[in-house]
Amino acid sequence: GAVVSQHPSWVICKSGTSVKIECRSLDFQATTMFWYRQFPKQSLMLMATSNEGSKATYEQGVEKDKFLINHASLTLSTLTVTSAHPEDSSFYICSASTPISVFGPGTRLTVL
Amino acid sequence: GEDVEQSLFLSVREGDSSVINCTYTDSSSTYLYWYKQEPGAGLQLLTYIFSNMDMKQDQRLTVLLNKKDKHLSLRIADTQTGDSAIYFCAEKGDNQGGKLIFGQGTELSVKP
Repeated sequence: GAVVSQHPSWVICKSGTSVKIECRSLDFQATTMFWYRQFPKQSLMLMATSNEGSKATYEQGVEKDKFLINHASLTLSTLTVTSAHPEDSSFYICSASTPISVFGPGTRLTVL
Repeated sequence: GEDVEQSLFLSVREGDSSVINCTYTDSSSTYLYWYKQEPGAGLQLLTYIFSNMDMKQDQRLTVLLNKKDKHLSLRIADTQTGDSAIYFCAEKGDNQGGKLIFGQGTELSVKP
């Protein structure tokens, strides 16, 4: 079946640094990918829709300059958390549709 | 906006059936999903149902969809301790560009 991978699976960084998270569709092409964020004991909240070859669409309240999304190919979308702060610590999950929605394993970001 | 609601907790005894309920508001839903999330892990797609179906069965899992009432349920037969997890209901609408709207998640606790 369709598989979505994410890298890294976890990352710890210092406050003020930038962190890049990769999301790859392994055996299918995805013109659209989605980035979600999940805080502890909460549900998933959509952050943005990543569109191959064009600008991402951000949900209300998500800062596009802080969460940079690049979808440079049909199998790769990246999310860069710029100038990360402790409140950005969260579980970041990407997904793609095949058309069934398939999720990556998630990336746990901890900002010290 | 569109909304998905779930009860937060369910506790059952091992061997009993579990029924997790979900309601949604989007009348244009195309796919409805059930995901399982174990502590510290990503989302595992359990099953999904297309909006023109009433029921879908897959081994111990039975999904019932009442489109008129916008009600979705997941029944787990012969519940095991390994089924303890958080279960998320999610829907994809026809006019949502492929993104999913998630419920809050139901924490299933299976007691021996």
